[in-house]
This record gives sequence, structure tokens and C-alpha cells, in this order.
Amino acid sequence: EDKVVQSPLSLVVHEGDTVTLNCSYEVTNFRSLLWYKQEKKAPTFLFMLTSSGIEKKSGRLSSILDKKELSSILNITATQTGDSAIYLCAVRPHTGANSKLTFGKGITLSVRP
Amino acid sequence: DVKVTQSSRYLVKRTGEKVFLECVQDMDHENMFWYRQDPGLGLRLIYFSYDVKMKEKGDIPEGYSVSREKKERFSLILESASTNQTSMYLCASSSPDGRGPHFGNGTRLTVT
Repeated sequence: EDKVVQSPLSLVVHEGDTVTLNCSYEVTNFRSLLWYKQEKKAPTFLFMLTSSGIEKKSGRLSSILDKKELSSILNITATQTGDSAIYLCAVRPHTGANSKLTFGKGITLSVRP
Repeated sequence: DVKVTQSSRYLVKRTGEKVFLECVQDMDHENMFWYRQDPGLGLRLIYFSYDVKMKEKGDIPEGYSVSREKKERFSLILESASTNQTSMYLCASSSPDGRGPHFGNGTRLTVT
């Protein structure tokens, strides 16, 4: 059974801090790892990672995959109150067109002014 | 932009009622999914469908069924709602190339 573990489960920081969110996984025949941000509504897509060591970057957010360690990190620099959200990690196996994601429980990030 | 639309944002139903949650996507995606999200448990897959009239059970299908009569529409049915089905329900769609899935805004269902 595929498994995704995120840590920490929750985190409180002050504006301007840098945070690192962790995701580790066990999946048969790994295809990709995805990060989502969820505020009050739908999770919104952040990154999809397929190759080890290649950093994906979008503004103050960046993420990298380590296939040897079966893990990924999501970094947020110079945090803002708008970064407060639940951050979800998910993995997708190679099972053809019918592949489905397994999600972790999410990390609740609170950024205080 | 992909748009996944769920018919209701909030829904209150009584125990024993039959409940329909509707989801429509506008990107001609083959794959559609229903998840429920609960505090401390994350997103759990209820059912998914990879083609019209095709469906597969996810991790927690008990008490639910689904219908996919048209490619763009995927319905979740609670045959006889129970209080333990009070939850946030999220619909999603994706294409086979692995992009997404893209989520709808969710339906918060309360069963009293």
C-alpha cells in the first residue's frame, strides 16, 4: 500500500521566517510527487517533481525531490501571512492511465504578522 | 484554465436521506476523482473513474456509489446518509499525462 508522511503536522512562524516542509513516501513504481496549497477552498497545484536533484522554483517557493531518500522538501522563504495554508504532498505511481494519487495528511502552516 | 465545478458549497441533510453531489469539469479530462477531507486524516480517495461508465473503488468506498454517464460529469451518491459522512468532499479531474489533478472548491456536507 502506498504511503505518504508529512512533517511537521503543524507549524507557526513569524513573517519573514524561512520554513521547510517535509514529505516522505513509500510507493510501488514511483512516477511523480506533487505539492498543493490549500487555503479555504480547493487545493491549488504548486509543483510536480519527477527527477531527483532538480529544484522547481516559483517566487519564494521551491521544492526538490530526493529519490534515494524517498523524500521531498518544500521551502518557503520570507514568509508572508498569505502563505498560511495547509500544504499537501501526494505521490503518483506508474500504473498507466488509471494512476491515482496518495496524499499525506497535510501540514498546517500559520504565519503570524 | 481548468475549471472543476461542484454544485453546492454547503449542504445539510438528515440521516437516512439519499444525497447527490455533482461535479463537472470543462477540460475533457478522462480521469475524475472523489475525495473526502477530514481533520487529522487528510484527503482520502472514495472512488475514481477513468472513462465514461467506468469506475473503481478508492480507499474508502463503503457507503458511497458513483455515476459517470458523461465524460464531463462525475456524481457521488450517498445512498443513506449517516452522521459519520459529515465531511468536506472534493472532486478532481486529471488527464492521463499526469498533470493535476485539478480540484473543485469542495462541498461541505453536514448530516444531522
